Amino acid sequence: AQSVTQPDIHITVSEGASLELRCNYSYGATPYLFWYVQSPGQGLQLLLKYFSGDTLVQGIKGFEAEFKRSQSSFNLRKPSVHWSDAAEYFCAVGVVFSGGYNKLIFGAGTRLAVHP
Amino acid sequence: KAGVTQTPRYLIKTRGQQVTLSCSPISGHRSVSWYQQTPGQGLQFLFEYFSETQRNKGNFPGRFSGRQFSNSRSEMNVSTLELGDSALYLCASSPVERGGWNTQYFGPGTRLTVL
Repeated sequence: AQSVTQPDIHITVSEGASLELRCNYSYGATPYLFWYVQSPGQGLQLLLKYFSGDTLVQGIKGFEAEFKRSQSSFNLRKPSVHWSDAAEYFCAVGVVFSGGYNKLIFGAGTRLAVHP
Repeated sequence: KAGVTQTPRYLIKTRGQQVTLSCSPISGHRSVSWYQQTPGQGLQFLFEYFSETQRNKGNFPGRFSGRQFSNSRSEMNVSTLELGDSALYLCASSPVERGGWNTQYFGPGTRLTVL
């Protein structure tokens, strides 16, 4: 069965420090992988996605993620965190069904706090 | 283009009541998916509609239902509300332009509180 694991529930970093959020997935085929961010009281905003090709993908707001098939991982990174990055981050795998419809399976999320 | 809109943004109901939530997708998007977000269960897929047909449903009781109109707008309904139905309900639309994956764009959600 498909699943996504985000091992870290909460992470606190200092402003300006680097960030890495971990994500491991379980999926039988080549996965469609996503990172979404959710600010308090808001919906989900897509940060970046991986479908195929280059395993290092760039997203919005200075984020990047690296797909490692051997480790079934898709970790999110940012070289220098800003206070406005404080939010909850969700990793997700996209499941495509033979009927043409899709659904997202989400991890539990990682809540990021940023110290000034 | 305007983004996905959901109404109402906040809703308070009591146990046993029913509720209807609305979602207007991005113009031109024909697929609408619904997700439930709770602190205990996280984000879970409810169902997906395309061309007024439900194509996929998650593991939720029959109290949860939905429909899609010819203009792609969608509604979801929860009958006989329970305390555990308190959640943020998120709607996502996608263009369904090709086979494989079609990126889902989320609305701001409807916060439902059941008292």
